[in-house]
Amino acid sequence: GAVVSQHPSRVICKSGTSVKIECRSLDFQATTMFWYRQFPKQSLMLMATSNEGSKATYEQGVEKDKFLINHASLTLSTLTVTSAHPEDSSFYICSARGLGGPSGNQPQHFGDGTRLSIL
Amino acid sequence: GQQVMQIPQYQHVQEGEDFTTYCNSSTTLSNIQWYKQRPGGHPVFLIQLVKSGEVKKQKRLTFQFGEAKKNSSLHITATQTTDVGTYFCAGASGTYKYIFGTGTRLKVLA
Repeated sequence: GAVVSQHPSRVICKSGTSVKIECRSLDFQATTMFWYRQFPKQSLMLMATSNEGSKATYEQGVEKDKFLINHASLTLSTLTVTSAHPEDSSFYICSARGLGGPSGNQPQHFGDGTRLSIL
Repeated sequence: GQQVMQIPQYQHVQEGEDFTTYCNSSTTLSNIQWYKQRPGGHPVFLIQLVKSGEVKKQKRLTFQFGEAKKNSSLHITATQTTDVGTYFCAGASGTYKYIFGTGTRLKVLA
């Protein structure tokens, strides 16, 4: 159980394009989804926390107008990289945390990630 | 802000040797989780520790949470080639989010 599907797995596009990445929890409901960015051989950097039905909470230094997050349902969150530029090229990973138990005490289940390359 | 450091950054061991990675937080944690990320893959949840001084075992893996709840360790006994990957700790300090450690990349030489 606890499968998270992330799509697409890889995107290559021209500078100035907007790219939408989807994160779905397939067999559980997720009140909270997280979006991370990972540079090669580095740790996961939390970008924002997405809560169903409310605005996302962005980490310091992350531009909310650049990285639009929508958590429309308990099983779907999307990240849109608007007007992407080469410096936005990275590995983006989402995770979802299920319902139940004390807040913060549930494991995160990760998607397979999206490798974004902006030319 | 909260910082979570791990040492060592890299570790190469011969198959059969033991391995330990240490995780240190700048703030007291409510709980800590450990994840493993294989090359090219995504992080996979291993375990969660909540209580001060807690020790948990999973086969050859032993996880420990410090008494002050600011540090943790993962010890692997008799490493195997399947243990290759990057091990991350992720700490929560009373909020809904986890801050990932810097990671320890393990290579096991056959």
